[in-house]
Amino acid sequence: GAGVSQSPSNKVTEKGKDVELRCDPISGHTALYWYRQSLGQGLEFLIYFQGNSAPDKSGLPSDRFSAERTGGSVSTLTIQRTQQEDSAVYLCASSFSGTPYSNQPQHFGDGTRLSIL
Amino acid sequence: AQRVTQPEKLLSVFKGAPVELKCNYSYSGSPELFWYVQYSRQRLQLLLRHISRESIKGFTADLNKGETSFHLKKPFAQEEDSAMYYCALSPLGRGGGNKLTFGTGTQLKVEL
Repeated sequence: GAGVSQSPSNKVTEKGKDVELRCDPISGHTALYWYRQSLGQGLEFLIYFQGNSAPDKSGLPSDRFSAERTGGSVSTLTIQRTQQEDSAVYLCASSFSGTPYSNQPQHFGDGTRLSIL
Repeated sequence: AQRVTQPEKLLSVFKGAPVELKCNYSYSGSPELFWYVQYSRQRLQLLLRHISRESIKGFTADLNKGETSFHLKKPFAQEEDSAMYYCALSPLGRGGGNKLTFGTGTQLKVEL
């Protein structure tokens, strides 16, 4: 694949439903990130994966949000019992692992636009 | 905690005029600073990073640790520079992955 792939590109759902968002990183990228872009909040970090482990989940806004990564590749972000304030564009990014002296640039997908009615 | 501030939501310049998009940061450790750009209907992409010290599409940015700034500059704006620009910071020295903290973005509009 040429870049980070996210699906679906758009999702409209009713309040209270669960949603799953998918991210396919660039092949070989060990690090994977989820961000959220919403009006008034800008781009916010949600969670970071190194391989299948998530050393930093500090950005997840509530316990309704969870994410997993399998095979060191695909990741899914799950939002349970969605609320209207969850409406946003959810962005995924991937990168190679950095070093203590330099971080690797993150490559972003097109995002999933989530709308909660 | 780290913070990135972009004071201008919108910057409008004429073609051929100089451009400066401001970015200030606060972070107690060693930061790495980036500029990301999002053109209309395209994904967010890296424009440049301070460690590379390179010029991309005529843009440069110098990290000023004394002023905690990383302003993006271009001497002569082109119409194709119209886009949303985000300044971002991630901590250095932690190896592996480092989350990005973004500013709120500046919409650059280059007018003919």
